[in-house]
Amino acid sequence: SYVLTQPPSVSVAPGQTARITCGGDNIGSKTVHWYQQKPGQAPVLVVYDDSDRPSGIPERFSGFNSGNTATLTISRVEAGDEADYHCQVWHGSGDHYVFGTGTKVTVL
Amino acid sequence: QVQLVQSGAEVKKPGASVKVSCKASGYTFTDDYLHWLRQAPGQGLEWMGWINPNAGGTEYGQTFQGRVTMTRDTSTSTVYMELSSLRSDDTAVYYCARDSPLSTNGVFDYWGQGTLVTVSS
Repeated sequence: SYVLTQPPSVSVAPGQTARITCGGDNIGSKTVHWYQQKPGQAPVLVVYDDSDRPSGIPERFSGFNSGNTATLTISRVEAGDEADYHCQVWHGSGDHYVFGTGTKVTVL
Repeated sequence: QVQLVQSGAEVKKPGASVKVSCKASGYTFTDDYLHWLRQAPGQGLEWMGWINPNAGGTEYGQTFQGRVTMTRDTSTSTVYMELSSLRSDDTAVYYCARDSPLSTNGVFDYWGQGTLVTVSS
């Protein structure tokens, strides 16, 4: 099965930039989506198709995917960005929809 | 606006079955696939399967084949997920989510609020 690996945690000061990685075998050949999940809430889509943003998501959220790593970047981090972030790909075989292990972003 | 509203929390004994509902509104129910996913306490997200609300076709993840059944009622714009032979490790929050028309690459743009299913003797 296809495995996506994320760091368990990332800490960042307000106003700085947070980078969350998602590693997978040749993940650059797949399309990556990112979700934000706050405690006790359902996930919210923040980036899809590697780098597109749904309506209502701030431009501070951006994505990039190449080689064996996809990255979600949060610029000018705010306290409200503190959450778990999950990457996801559509694998196309077996368990088609694969999620990463999740990264907890802490705003210092 | 698109909304997915799920049924309430359930407590079940090992070996029992649970059926969770997800009522869709704010868009044409038959236009987009609906998926079921779950999240065990402190764990990541796990995909269970999808249902095509138009034709009723389904596809289930390998982990759940033989134990999960997804159905729909087009008259009420509701999909259902039934999981049988429950075990303690089925304790999780179960979500329905819409397959987004934004992309053909398997992305979920709207999610239900989640339903906690607790399996305990």
